[in-house]
Amino acid sequence: DIVMTQSPDSLAVSLGERATINCKSSQSVLYSSNNKNYLAWYQQKPGQPPKLLIYWASTRESGVPDRFSGSGSGTDFTLTISSLQAEDVAVYYCQQYYNTPPHTFGQGTKLEIK
Amino acid sequence: EVQLVESGGGLVQPGGSLRLSCAASGFTFSSYWMTWVRQAPGKGLEWVANIKKDGSQKYYVDSVKGRFTISRDNAKNSLYLQMNSLRAEDTAVYYCARVSSSGGGSVDYWGQGTLVTVSS
Repeated sequence: DIVMTQSPDSLAVSLGERATINCKSSQSVLYSSNNKNYLAWYQQKPGQPPKLLIYWASTRESGVPDRFSGSGSGTDFTLTISSLQAEDVAVYYCQQYYNTPPHTFGQGTKLEIK
Repeated sequence: EVQLVESGGGLVQPGGSLRLSCAASGFTFSSYWMTWVRQAPGKGLEWVANIKKDGSQKYYVDSVKGRFTISRDNAKNSLYLQMNSLRAEDTAVYYCARVSSSGGGSVDYWGQGTLVTVSS
């Protein structure tokens, strides 16, 4: 199974500053036949289900603010929030959906306001 | 509006069984893969199982293989998770979710979840 490892486990950023969360997969999730990275990012606020932010590593889900962006390829990926807002406080998860399941998640990164 | 509503959670003794249900509405249920994801109290997300649109393919995380069965009834727009031989470590909120049709295996809609507690 593919293991997903996020860093850091927690992060405190000032309002208006950039937040960066990393995700590393134990094997490449880049499918050579279509050049797509099978990687998604989710946001989960307390008491709520997760919300899809990014899929194919860099495609923003409809309705997601453009301050959220995803990058990376192969085994190393990054979620960036360009200017942190108070409502962005949450736990963020990456997930790989390469090939047949299990479609494993990272352990999560808790984002707080400094 | 897409809605996924789970039911069937509760307190069960170790070794017991429980059947979770998920009622789907607001989309053509039979056109989507569906999935169950769980979250133990205070912990991260764990992918549990997937089922193909017509129910012909099913996948499970190793820790539930042979104990859990995912199924669906497209005529009733419903997804199920039969859980047998439950263990304390199965205690979690179980989310029913839809696999995106355009985003590969990413999950674009989630239910609010149902809590399963395995304890004596």
